[in-house]
Order: sequence, then C-alpha cells, then structure tokens
Amino acid sequence: GNSVTQMEGPVTLSEEAFLTINCTYTATGYPSLFWYVQYPGEGLQLLLKATKADDKGSNKGFEATYRKETTSFHLEKGSVQVSDSAVYFCALSPGLIQGAQKLVFGQGTRLTINP
Amino acid sequence: SAVISQKPSRDICQRGTSLTIQCQVDSQVTMMFWYRQQPGQSLTLIATANQGSEATYESGFVIDKFPISRPNLTFSTLTVSNMSPEDSSIYLCSVEDLKGSGGLHNEQFFGPGTRLTVL
Repeated sequence: GNSVTQMEGPVTLSEEAFLTINCTYTATGYPSLFWYVQYPGEGLQLLLKATKADDKGSNKGFEATYRKETTSFHLEKGSVQVSDSAVYFCALSPGLIQGAQKLVFGQGTRLTINP
Repeated sequence: SAVISQKPSRDICQRGTSLTIQCQVDSQVTMMFWYRQQPGQSLTLIATANQGSEATYESGFVIDKFPISRPNLTFSTLTVSNMSPEDSSIYLCSVEDLKGSGGLHNEQFFGPGTRLTVL
C-alpha cells in the first residue's frame, strides 16, 4: 500500500540553523509528493510539491528533491527563522483514484525555532 | 486558489450528541474531502464527497457515524454522530483545485479546521 514515514519530532533549532526533515515513502507507480505546513492555530498550507523523479520543489527558502532511487523527499532550509515554527507534513498522492487525488500523510514533525 | 471556510471553528460537546460541521468554498469544485486529525496524529481521510452522489468512505469510516451532505458545488457538511471522547479531533475539509496543473497533479487546499472536544 501507500505510506509516508517522517522523521519523528519535535525538532528544536536555533535561528539561522540548517534544517532537514526526513521523509520516505512507499508507493506503487509514480506518486506526486508534497510538503504541507500547519502554523499554530491555522489550517494546512501547501509548502511545495514535486510531481516526478528528480524534480525539486521550492518555496520560501525551503527545498525538497524527489528521489525515486531512495524513495525520499527530504525537506531542507539553509537558515531557519522563528516564523518557521510549525508542524510540517510530508504527503503523497498516488494519482487519480476514482477520479480523485487521495493524499496520504506522514505523521507530521513539529518544528520549534528559538531566537 | 480556493478560499475555504469552516463552521464552527471549535466546539465542546457532550458524549452521545451530534455535531454538524459546515464547509464553504468560494468557487465551484467537483471534489471535496473530509479529514480527521486526532491529537498529535497525522491527517486521515474520512471520505470523498462529490456533488449529487453518495460520499465514498475510507476503510474504518461509515456513513452512520459520519454522514456527509454535498448539496451543491460550493458546500458540504460532515456530521459526527453519537459522539464519544475518542471523536475529539480536528476535522478539516479540503478541495481539489482544477485550475492548477490539471490532471494528475491537482493541488488540494484545506480549510482552517474545526476543533472538536467531546467530554
């Protein structure tokens, strides 16, 4: 079946530190991969996505590369800010199932950035 | 991108009662989805709701417990029936953006969620 495994949190870093949140997946076929972010008290927002192998998604200084050989989609940022404190979810979509995208989420990683 | 609102934003309910959550979108969408996010857990898809047809439920979720309505292309409701403390969760609706890249890689947008506490 389809599944997503994320690095366990919580993760606490100092401002300007380098961030990596690991994400690996299991899927049949060629899924699309996503990172969603949930800021305190808010709903999920799409952070970035990649739809095929070797694609790199990027947004707000965050990057993730779709690695089919290692079935991974690790999230990175070179210099984090306090405002990046949130819960990050890795997700995959296996493609259309009965005409719909059905997202499969990882367990989420809570990130706290200290000034 | 679609703008999604949910009502109520939060509620505290007694066990055995039911709560109906509303999801309103600012544009017409074909697919709407309902998710549950239990405390400290990830999101789990409850069901997919198409306008004019019965909702499609995921394994572990049944219509009697989570009846869904989808009367038009901009609105849906999810009812949590005969609630127990185990139903305490955040319930989120999402929609698929057909104006995105199209086809296989449509983007999903999420509402702000409804935080439900059952005593």
